[in-house]
Amino acid sequence: DARVTQTPRDKVTEMGQEVTMRCQPILGHNTVFWYRQTMMQGLELLAYFRNRAPLDDSGMPKDRFSAEMPDATLATLKIQPSEPRDSAVYFCASGLGPSRGEQLFGPGTRLTVL
Amino acid sequence: GENVEQHPSTLSVQEGDSAVIKCTYSDSASNYFPWYKQELGKRPQLIIDIRSNVGEKKDQRIAVTLNKTAKHFSLHITETQPEDSAVYFCAARAGNQFYFGTGTSLTVIP
Repeated sequence: DARVTQTPRDKVTEMGQEVTMRCQPILGHNTVFWYRQTMMQGLELLAYFRNRAPLDDSGMPKDRFSAEMPDATLATLKIQPSEPRDSAVYFCASGLGPSRGEQLFGPGTRLTVL
Repeated sequence: GENVEQHPSTLSVQEGDSAVIKCTYSDSASNYFPWYKQELGKRPQLIIDIRSNVGEKKDQRIAVTLNKTAKHFSLHITETQPEDSAVYFCAARAGNQFYFGTGTSLTVIP
């Protein structure tokens, strides 16, 4: 049963520190999504990639967030500097693109910025 | 872009009764509609999906219906059980992107 994996599962850090979250998509999936979930905003799309190329990152605050896919097995989401309002659960999801539809989520990284 | 609305935001049913959650979408180009179940502290899990060329799909106690003309789709859970209690999200895919509803918190009362 293939699954998306994410690390770390929990991260507590202080305001101003850099945070890096990692995601390993399901082998063979060519589309990767980053979402942020909070009680107030629900699920927000931050960025997504297809075949490692960023297709849309309009949901991300550009001044502090960056997303990359250095290779097909790793996607990263970085926040620098972090702020308390960034506290949320960050989910990565992967899929096979529009022709196949399905999107499966990783377990999430719970980020707390003090 | 696409806009997905979901109702109700909370729903309580007695164990054994049915639950229905409804979503509407705005982009007629949307062609794939998944439903996710999210338990507290867990990841959203895909429970059922439907493509735009199908009107209804069923998997045991769960069914989804799609009305393309009216641009709405619904999740039906029959014979509800306490373990069905969770937040349910609908979504619509337009192009590469998924657009999510705001979620329905379902409580099944034993």
